[in-house]
Amino acid sequence: DGGITQSPKYLFRKEGQNVTLSCEQNLNHDAMYWYRQDPGQGLRLIYYSQIVNDFQKGDIAEGYSVSREKKESFPLTVTSAQKNPTAFYLCASSTGQKNTGELFFGEGSRLTVL
Amino acid sequence: AQSVTQPDIHITVSEGASLELRCNYSYGATPYLFWYVQSPGQGLQLLLKYFSGDTLVQGIKGFEAEFKRSQSSFNLRKPSVHWSDAAEYFCAVGPRGAGTALIFGKGTTLSVSS
Repeated sequence: DGGITQSPKYLFRKEGQNVTLSCEQNLNHDAMYWYRQDPGQGLRLIYYSQIVNDFQKGDIAEGYSVSREKKESFPLTVTSAQKNPTAFYLCASSTGQKNTGELFFGEGSRLTVL
Repeated sequence: AQSVTQPDIHITVSEGASLELRCNYSYGATPYLFWYVQSPGQGLQLLLKYFSGDTLVQGIKGFEAEFKRSQSSFNLRKPSVHWSDAAEYFCAVGPRGAGTALIFGKGTTLSVSS
């Protein structure tokens, strides 16, 4: 079945460590997105990519980095520069062609900084 | 600035009663409109969407929403709530044809009492 796979589902890290969250899709979608979710804050856009080898910052990109070397993959690195990284991270994709904006989401990754 | 407002943070409805979740948006033009639902610790699932045409749209699980241009609203309704509807609901807006990311409201948590 087509879908979006995020891993790991749960991740713990110590302060000062970088961590990379994986997002893979087999929907043949052009566009991919990373959102951060905090209680009562809704979803806030971190980065998005409309095409391979290109990506744009969202509203809260500071302390995060991404790459888009393959159409299927859009990993997110949470760096030590991110001051409050404990959150639920959601990856999504959309067709990108005649884009209607509809997003398809993965199951999320919960990052906890100890 | 583009924004989505969901005025109700938390709503409790009796099982079998009707439901209305409010959503107002601020946008330069008529956007694409969406409602998503999220169960705890899960990704988001699309309930319904409005692109054009009939302003009353039907979705999955018996939900419907009505687009009112004059009020910049896109309220979600269900005539009879089931205990399994307890979840968090997000309204989202997006640009037409531009391929950029959706803007989400902060969500409304629905509790269902027996």
